[in-house]
Amino acid sequence: EDQVTQSPEALRLQEGESSSLNCSYTVSGLRGLFWYRQDPGKGPEFLFTLYSAGEEKEKERLKATLTKKESFLHITAPKPEDSATYLCAVHLRERTGNQFYFGTGTSLTVIP
Amino acid sequence: DSGVTQTPKHLITATGQRVTLRCSPRSGDLSVYWYQQSLDQGLQFLIQYYNGEERAKGNILERFSAQQFPDLHSELNLSSLELGDSALYFCASSGGGRVGELFFGEGSRLTVL
Repeated sequence: EDQVTQSPEALRLQEGESSSLNCSYTVSGLRGLFWYRQDPGKGPEFLFTLYSAGEEKEKERLKATLTKKESFLHITAPKPEDSATYLCAVHLRERTGNQFYFGTGTSLTVIP
Repeated sequence: DSGVTQTPKHLITATGQRVTLRCSPRSGDLSVYWYQQSLDQGLQFLIQYYNGEERAKGNILERFSAQQFPDLHSELNLSSLELGDSALYFCASSGGGRVGELFFGEGSRLTVL
């Protein structure tokens, strides 16, 4: 059974304290892995797309990496405005159409 | 602002009732996706439409149905509502070659009493 697991479920960091969020997947036929940010009461906002193992993408304090079994979202020197839930999603090759399956997210709180 | 519009923002109804949620995708986007988000299950894929045709189905209940109209807006119909249907329902659209870059609306929060 296809599965996307994110850890930890929740993370509290002091401002400036770097850390990493994990997204592991047990799917066949991965076409791409995506990271989204979701603020409370809002829809998810696209951050990154990763297609192959070894690929890295960066945006401001965020850097996403991909291996064959998992992806990491590294947050360097976070600020309070980085507080949000971070979701990863996988795009599967085997299915018809474009289906994106989301993990349950990591809720990040950055304390000033 | 993602450019995706969902109405209504909030909806409170009773068990057994039927509701319709509406989504207008970003201008030019042909694909529309519907997701259900509840506290314990995260974002669950329901269904995808592309230019008026159903393309993919996820965990959509038989009591739920959707369609995409010629002007590309989409509606999600939820019938015989149960307490467990209370959730946030998101619509997302995408277009062009950037598969996976979904643009989400702000959601419709459904409360079934």
